[in-house]
Amino acid sequence: DSGVTQTPKHLITATGQRVTLRCSPRSGDLSVYWYQQSLDQGLQFLIQYYNGEERAKGNILERFSAQQFPDLHSELNLSSLELGDSALYFCASSVGSGSGGDTQYFGPGTRLTVL
Amino acid sequence: GQQLNQSPQSMFIQEGEDVSMNCTSSSIFNTWLWYKQDPGEGPVLLIALYKAGELTSNGRLTAQFGITRKDSFLNISASIPSDVGIYFCAGYYGQNFVFGPGTRLSVLP
Repeated sequence: DSGVTQTPKHLITATGQRVTLRCSPRSGDLSVYWYQQSLDQGLQFLIQYYNGEERAKGNILERFSAQQFPDLHSELNLSSLELGDSALYFCASSVGSGSGGDTQYFGPGTRLTVL
Repeated sequence: GQQLNQSPQSMFIQEGEDVSMNCTSSSIFNTWLWYKQDPGEGPVLLIALYKAGELTSNGRLTAQFGITRKDSFLNISASIPSDVGIYFCAGYYGQNFVFGPGTRLSVLP
């Protein structure tokens, strides 16, 4: 158990809908990262928050947004869902702001299926 | 952006065999991380390397941070069925973090 929790574990929804994925980092970790993993693909970095502020942005679509709250949990919002958004969404956390020596620990993921 | 190359892309081995896989880059990295991912699960950190030349073991796993700081390898000794999965290297070059595409390991009984 990495100490990173994600809810829900599974989510099934329809095209055009909006969903929210939730992540709680390990105790003491200030950074939260979001990744997307499509079937048999590698991990695509979406976005990072550090202590409530956006720190780094990857290949995140404009239909997607995220935030980190004062208690350091984070939410990833996916809107106007398309079939191609079906994937595993992982959250990771780390102690620091993301630099050499800052190890990321991953949650169990949320499997999103868009029908 | 920076790409990490992992080889082999996939491998099939017999139970009990040793495994070696590596990760290379054209940039200098200051941290290398090796993760294992089981199907439908999140990546689990296996080994973290922070200094060039560092050799670190975790049970049957051994990883090394290459002297040039542009590569790393992971060895698994005496493979067992539960070693099946995808092994990802990842690392930091400067402030940037990147994952490799993974090596898919299959262990035949």
